[in-house]
Amino acid sequence: GAGVSQSPSNKVTEKGKDVELRCDPISGHTALYWYRQSLGQGLEFLIYFQGNSAPDKSGLPSDRFSAERTGGSVSTLTIQRTQQEDSAVYLCASSRQGGANTGELFFGEGSRLTVL
Amino acid sequence: QQQVKQSPQSLIVQKGGISIINCAYENTAFDYFPWYQQFPGKGPALLIAIRPDVSEKKEGRFTISFNKSAKQFSLHIMDSQPGDSATYFCAPARYSGSRLTFGEGTQLTVNP
Repeated sequence: GAGVSQSPSNKVTEKGKDVELRCDPISGHTALYWYRQSLGQGLEFLIYFQGNSAPDKSGLPSDRFSAERTGGSVSTLTIQRTQQEDSAVYLCASSRQGGANTGELFFGEGSRLTVL
Repeated sequence: QQQVKQSPQSLIVQKGGISIINCAYENTAFDYFPWYQQFPGKGPALLIAIRPDVSEKKEGRFTISFNKSAKQFSLHIMDSQPGDSATYFCAPARYSGSRLTFGEGTQLTVNP
């Protein structure tokens, strides 16, 4: 497709389980971002990739959170031992080049995670 | 998130009216000022953005006004339409930085 694709769109899991969220950015976009949006809240930055490297991962809330990007394309956000406070919509965005401010960020529709 | 404050949290406007949303920031290094629009169930999308070398930018019914000394910028929506009903986020950034810092959002409702 032409836009940023995220899967799954919805995920319900039990506390303590691990989850993986996937992001397919727009083809040719070198920069990729993960944000988290809690109900009625703004977007919380998690991590930024330029190519396959992550020069800024300062937003990851704990060591239970990790992300990788392979082939300069697909990215996976992994949350281990999920907690109820992890419940949120996880948004992925991509842009043509590095630097959030040098170009428009294109967001996917998000993966809604519910931890019971 | 504490670096960026949006107001109001919610706004109700009649069709044809003017919607004004404000954003105050603390980081004087910010030099890129976008507004994003988000509809329910969708990701945010860039609406309009400004650099600090100009004080105002207009695109159709949408205008950004920028006040560097006050560290504020605002979004004005003229002739507001029901289709403008959405959540609006300011997201200032450093031109040399790697991230947007989103405000908490303003939920706009335009009544027909």
